[in-house]
Amino acid sequence: AQSVAQPEDQVNVAEGNPLTVKCTYSVSGNPYLFWYVQYPNRGLQFLLKYITGDNLVKGSYGFEAEFNKSQTSFHLKKPSALVSDSALYFCAVRDPSGSARQLTFGSGTQLTVLP
Amino acid sequence: GAGVSQSPSNKVTEKGKDVELRCDPISGHTALYWYRQSLGQGLEFLIYFQGNSAPDKSGLPSDRFSAERTGGSVSTLTIQRTQQEDSAVYLCASSLESAGAGELFFGEGSRLTVL
Repeated sequence: AQSVAQPEDQVNVAEGNPLTVKCTYSVSGNPYLFWYVQYPNRGLQFLLKYITGDNLVKGSYGFEAEFNKSQTSFHLKKPSALVSDSALYFCAVRDPSGSARQLTFGSGTQLTVLP
Repeated sequence: GAGVSQSPSNKVTEKGKDVELRCDPISGHTALYWYRQSLGQGLEFLIYFQGNSAPDKSGLPSDRFSAERTGGSVSTLTIQRTQQEDSAVYLCASSLESAGAGELFFGEGSRLTVL
């Protein structure tokens, strides 16, 4: 079975400071990992993904994430937060060696960037 | 349009009534997913369609829920005899099925309120 955990319901950070949104996963094989962002009353937008290769992946809006196999983590990071980054962030996982074809999503982390 | 289109955007119904939610995926996308997002919750997988294969219905919460996809394109999610606990945002997503590595593109959702 595939699962993902986002241990923080809420993250607050001051504008201009670095931000981190945490994600850990559980799969039986090598994971496919994704980050999505949801702005109020909108659908989810894709930010970035890790499939294979370089552990550090870069995505939209200056976000990046690092795949750490030993810690089974895929934390989302940005060097300098903007007020406009305030949104709900979801981590998701798929186990390509498993039978499930859907993405399994975490419970989400509400990021608030304070001016 | 260029994105995933869902209708209606909002639906208010009375307990016990049937509702139909429609999803028009991105042209050429062979995979289609339905998820449910309840207030304060993450995304709950409902059903997955891939080409002409039998759908994965493993996430449907009860036999009151059903979905079909006609001609490999438009999908309809039907909820019979709606209950108050069915109130949620129903999200549709589509993807190019790239052995599970493709990202999902989401519509803006259909908000269902059961009175």
